Amino acid sequence: EVHLVESGGGPVQPGGPRRLSCAASGLTFSSSWMNWVRQAPGKGLEWVASISPDGTSKAYVDSVKGRFTVSRDNAENLLFLQMDSLRVEDTAVYYCVRDREYWTFDYWGQGTLVTVSS
Amino acid sequence: QSALSQPASVSGSPGQSVTVSCTGTSTDVGGNNYVSWYQQHPGKAPKLVIYDVSSRPSGVSNRFSGSKSGNTASLTITGLQAEDEADYYCSSYGAKRMFGGGTKLTVL
Repeated sequence: EVHLVESGGGPVQPGGPRRLSCAASGLTFSSSWMNWVRQAPGKGLEWVASISPDGTSKAYVDSVKGRFTVSRDNAENLLFLQMDSLRVEDTAVYYCVRDREYWTFDYWGQGTLVTVSS
Repeated sequence: QSALSQPASVSGSPGQSVTVSCTGTSTDVGGNNYVSWYQQHPGKAPKLVIYDVSSRPSGVSNRFSGSKSGNTASLTITGLQAEDEADYYCSSYGAKRMFGGGTKLTVL
């Protein structure tokens, strides 16, 4: 059974950093495209970032470019999202998601809430 | 603003059928067969219910089906049940990674 377990969420002040982690099990992590998708309170889903299986190809939604960095550790089956210069509008539940192919997201974690507030 | 347009809400009575539409462009929905649909219950993570326009993942009820015509994809749920009440989101391979704005399904 596939498990994606996010951690690292919590309160953070505007301008501050936060690092999210996602521990994967039950899937061939090292051959999977992985993503972060977020959902602001009461809002819809927003794709945030993706990373190729070997970590060399990355993509970001325009609103986080230059502030967020996605990375992975295939030896430990871990996915990360380093979030810097956080803004109030980054407040959301962040989901770790596997892309089976062609942007089809077949496995989702339970999410971790990041709250940016002073 | 989502490039994939969905109605904000739909509703139906138990046992009825409902259809949720997802309208894109020729660069996404209309240009490939990689449309997917996700079901999300309140406080829960989204769940994939349809992929590749009309395929169902293992374990998803056959009451869920998908189709596409031109730039519009559709999710149809037949034999509505109370447990189907949820938010539904579409997504499509294309120029930009994005989801539709979501549709709230209410079972009356």
